[in-house]
Amino acid sequence: AQTVTQSQPEMSVQEAETVTLSCTYDTSESDYYLFWYKQPPSRQMILVIRQEAYKQQNATENRFSVNFQKAAKSFSLKISDSQLGDAAMYFCAYCDRDDKIIFGKGTRLHILP
Amino acid sequence: EAQVTQNPRYLITVTGKKLTVTCSQNMNHEYMSWYRQDPGLGLRQIYYSMNVEVTDKGDVPEGYKVSRKEKRNFPLILESPSPNQTSLYFCASSYLGGVSNTASLTDTQYFGPGTRLTVL
Repeated sequence: AQTVTQSQPEMSVQEAETVTLSCTYDTSESDYYLFWYKQPPSRQMILVIRQEAYKQQNATENRFSVNFQKAAKSFSLKISDSQLGDAAMYFCAYCDRDDKIIFGKGTRLHILP
Repeated sequence: EAQVTQNPRYLITVTGKKLTVTCSQNMNHEYMSWYRQDPGLGLRQIYYSMNVEVTDKGDVPEGYKVSRKEKRNFPLILESPSPNQTSLYFCASSYLGGVSNTASLTDTQYFGPGTRLTVL
C-alpha cells in the first residue's frame, strides 16, 4: 500500500527567509501525482503545487517550488521569501491514476515576524 | 456562499445502531470525498466519488458505505458502528479537471466543518 511520510510535525522560519518541508512516499506505481496542500484555520485544503510523476521538471508556483526526486521517492516543498500568510498546516499528498488520495500527517509551519 | 455542509456536527451513539452523516456542497463540484482524522494518523480517505453514481474506496473503507445519487450530496453511512469508528469525519469537494481516469484534481478541496462521532 502507498504511504506518505512527513517527518517534521512543526517548523518555524523567520519572515522573508526560505524554508523547506520534507515529504517521502512509498509506491510501486510509476505514474502518479503528488501535491502539497495548505490548510489554514478555515479548514479549506488549498492546493499549493502539483507534480506529475512522469515529468522530470520540478513544478514551481511563484514563491513555491518542489524538489521531486522520483528514484528516492522524495517530494520536498520550498517556500521562498516566507510571508506571515504562509503560516498554516501543510499536507503532502499522493494521488494515483484513479484519483485516490493519501495524505501525510502534516507539518505545521510558523512564520516568525 | 460557497460551502460544504455536514450534519450532524456532533453525534454520540451506541455500537450497532445505524447512522448517516450527510454532506452537501453548493459549488457543483464533481469530486467529493470522505476522510477521517485521528490523532497520530492524520487524514485518511474513506471513500470518494468522481461524479454521480461513481464511487470508489479510499484507504480505509471497511465499515462504511456511501452513495452519490445527486451531484451535491454524498452521505456517509455506518450500517453497524463500532467503537473503532470513533473519530472526526470530514467531507470535502473539488472540481476535477482533465479527462476521466486521470489523476486530475486541479483545484482547492473545500472541507466541511467536520463531524465528531463517538461510538460507545
